[in-house]
Amino acid sequence: EVQLVESGGDLVQPGGSLILSCAASGFTFSIYWMSWVRRAPGRGLEWVAITSQDESEKHYVDSVKGRFIISRDNAKSSLYLQMNTLRAEDTAVYYCVKAGGIGSVDYWGHGTLVTVSS
Amino acid sequence: DVVLTQSPLSLPVTLGQPASISCRSSQSLVDNDGNTYLNWFQQRPGQSPRRLIYEVSKRDSGVPDRFSGSGSGTDFTLKISRVEAEDVGVYFCMQGIHWPWTFGQGSKVEI
Repeated sequence: EVQLVESGGDLVQPGGSLILSCAASGFTFSIYWMSWVRRAPGRGLEWVAITSQDESEKHYVDSVKGRFIISRDNAKSSLYLQMNTLRAEDTAVYYCVKAGGIGSVDYWGHGTLVTVSS
Repeated sequence: DVVLTQSPLSLPVTLGQPASISCRSSQSLVDNDGNTYLNWFQQRPGQSPRRLIYEVSKRDSGVPDRFSGSGSGTDFTLKISRVEAEDVGVYFCMQGIHWPWTFGQGSKVEI
């Protein structure tokens, strides 16, 4: 059974940093693209970042470019999101999401809450 | 960014009756390879999203055949032939061709 378990969400002050982790199991992690997607309170879903299997290709939504870094450790079947210079508008539930074929994703974690507030 | 507009945003349904959700894209979702990367997800209360449909009309394993997807280019539809109680939740479309991939606002199905 595919499982994606996020951790690391917390209350952090504006300008602060946080690292989110996602532990994957139930599939061969190293052969799939992986993503982070977020949902801010009262708003829709937003793609944050995506990485290829070997990290040779990464893409970020404009609002987090230069502040967030997506990375992975295939030996540990883990995905990470380094979040720097956090802003109030980064407050959201962050989901770890597994690629499911071209142009799609198929499995989502339950999410971890990041709150940016003083 | 590609904007996906869903309608209706709230859909009261009757058990056993059909239901339909529209998803319209601001740009064509047909890729150079000829495929169309439009997906549908279901999110039940308290659960993570679950993919129902990919590439417009391909149903995921384990998804009841009362769910079907159709459409082309910029206009797409998710249909439930006969709504069951377990279908309550939020349904959203997602495009996977133009970065950043984007989602519809979500349509809430309630009995």
